[in-house]
Amino acid sequence: AQKITQTQPGMFVQEKEAVTLDCTYDTSDPSYGLFWYKQPSSGEMIFLIYQGSYDQQNATEGRYSLNFQKARKSANLVISASQLGDSAMYFCAMRGWYNQGGKLIFGQGTELSVKP
Amino acid sequence: GAGVSQSPRYKVAKRGQDVALRCDPISGHVSLFWYQQALGQGPEFLTYFQNEAQLDKSGLPSDRFFAERPEGSVSTLKIQRTQQEDSAVYLCASSATSGRNTGELFFGEGSRLTVL
Repeated sequence: AQKITQTQPGMFVQEKEAVTLDCTYDTSDPSYGLFWYKQPSSGEMIFLIYQGSYDQQNATEGRYSLNFQKARKSANLVISASQLGDSAMYFCAMRGWYNQGGKLIFGQGTELSVKP
Repeated sequence: GAGVSQSPRYKVAKRGQDVALRCDPISGHVSLFWYQQALGQGPEFLTYFQNEAQLDKSGLPSDRFFAERPEGSVSTLKIQRTQQEDSAVYLCASSATSGRNTGELFFGEGSRLTVL
C-alpha cells in the first residue's frame, strides 16, 4: 500500500522568507514519482514540481525546490522568498510504478499562510 | 478555455436525490480521473478512465456511485440516493498520456456538492 504523510496541518511564514513543507511517503514500488500541488481557495489543483525516484538531482522550479531524501522517504517542498500569493493548501502526492493509469495518492495537506 | 472544465461548480441536493457532475477534460487527453475531496482533507481517488474504458473504479465508495465516459472525452459522475456523507468537492483531472509514464495531471476547479 502507498501512503503519503504531511504532519503539518498549518504553517505560517513571513513574507520574503523561506519555508519548508514536510512530506514523507511509504511505498514498496520499485520506481515512483513525487509531486507537489498547490490548491488556492478557488479549488483548482496547481502542479508545482515533480521528482522521480531515480532522478539524481533534487528538482527545482523557480522558487520551488524539492528536498528529496530517498533513504528517509521524504520529499519536502521548499518555497524561497515567500509571497502573499503563496497562501494556500499544499498537497504532496505520489505515483507508484504499479498505479493503474498513473493515479496519484495524496497526503492530507498543509495550509500555508504568508504574513505581510 | 483550454483547461479542465467542471459543472456545476456548486450543487445542493436533498438527501435521497440523484446528482450528476460533468467533466470536460482538455481536448485529446487520454486519461481522466475523478477524486473526492472532503473538507480539510486531501483528494481521494475514485475512478480512472483511459479513453472510454473505465480501468480502475476501486475508489468508488459504494454502488451508488457511477461514472462513465462513453465517447472518450466528456465524463459524468453520477451519485444516486445522495447521503450527507457524500458532501464533498469532486475533482476531475486529465492527462495527455496513460500508464506508468503518465505526466502531469491537470485538474478542474471541482464541483462542490452539499447534501442536506
